Parts: sequence; structure tokens; C-alpha cells
Amino acid sequence: DIQVTQSPASLSASVGDRVTITCRSTQNIDIYLNWYQHKPGKAPRLLIYAASTLQSGVPSRFSGSGSGTDFILTISSLQPEDFATYYCQQTVRIPRTFGQGTKLEIK
Amino acid sequence: EVQLVESGGGLVQPGGSLRLSCVVSGFTFRDYNFNWVRQAPGKGLEWIAYISTSNSIFYADSVQGRVTISRDNAKSSLYLQMSSLRAEDTALYFCARQKATIRGPYYYYYMDIWGKGTTVTVSS
Repeated sequence: DIQVTQSPASLSASVGDRVTITCRSTQNIDIYLNWYQHKPGKAPRLLIYAASTLQSGVPSRFSGSGSGTDFILTISSLQPEDFATYYCQQTVRIPRTFGQGTKLEIK
Repeated sequence: EVQLVESGGGLVQPGGSLRLSCVVSGFTFRDYNFNWVRQAPGKGLEWIAYISTSNSIFYADSVQGRVTISRDNAKSSLYLQMSSLRAEDTALYFCARQKATIRGPYYYYYMDIWGKGTTVTVSS
């Protein structure tokens, strides 16, 4: 199976900060990498697909980059509603594995 | 409104069975592929099952042989039949619609719409 590892596991930041979360896969996955946001009690939300394509309706402060084995999710200026857990997921192979998550908390 | 609503979760004893349902609205169910994803307490997301429009099916090793994914296009519903349940199956179970973006010969898959989940607790 392809493993994807996120870092950091948790992150404290303030409103207005620029934040980056990284995702690394154990194999070359081209751009078969998605990013999701999840808040407790809510449905997970797709943010970015194919490594860098912003899902419709997602604010432009979110961006994704990378290809191959290394990927980055960037939030350019944190807003209060952005405090959540973020997951990457590879979709090049079954099983479509998720990273372990990055919990973004308010400093 | 595009919506996926899961149901059928509950408390079940180890070794027991449960059938989860996911009813969709706001789009044409038969045109899409679907997934089940779960989240154990305090853990991250885990993909567990997939079904295509033509009933191609895949499972994660962790549930292979113990769960069956199915769909009923007439009822716009997705199902997950779970048996031989274990404590480690305790989780919040989500259904998710799958889409793809096509670039040249390549299909890039993603789960664009999710439900809020239904909770399964396996305990004696």
C-alpha cells in the first residue's frame, strides 16, 4: 500500500498567519493527491484535488502544490473558520489512503 | 440541495451485524461512484470501500470479507452490510460521492460531497 505522511501532526497559529502543511508519499503518485478539511460533527470538505486545483466554492487563501512524493497545502491568511483538521489522500492506487491528519488550533 | 445522509448506525455486540444506508438527493445517483470512509474515535480518516456505477467494488484489507458495499439506483441509496464486527470497527462512518477530473489520458479522482456520518459502536 502507498503510505502518506503528514507533518506536523498539530499546529498552533493565529488569525492572519500563513500556514503550510506537508504530505509525503512512499511512492511517486504524480498529482493524485487531494486535501480535505474536517470539523467535528460536520461532513469532511474537499479543498484541493489533483494536488493544486481549488474545489469550487473554496476560498482562494487555500492553495496546493507539489507532485511526485512531496505536497504542500498552504493557507495564506488564517481565518477563524479555518481551525480544523486537515487530511491529504492519495488516489493513484487502491486502497486510497489518507494521511494521519494535521490538527490546526488557535494560538 | 445536494445531500448525502447516512443512517443505520448503533450499538452492536462483537460478532454482530449492521447495515448502514446512505440516501442521496440533489443529483442523479446512478451517474456516480461512491465510497465509504470511517473515522475511529481519536483517529484519522480511513477509506474502506468503493463501488462504481457498473458495480466494480474494492475493499480495504481491514474490512475485506466482513463488509459488502452495494447500491440501489432506484432508491438513490448506497449500503454497507457489516458482519463479524469487532471493537476496532467502532467508528463514525461516512459515505462520499466520487468524481474525477480528466486530463489527457488520466483520471484524477476525488470525493467532493460527503455526509455527516453515522456512528457504529461495537461493544458488549
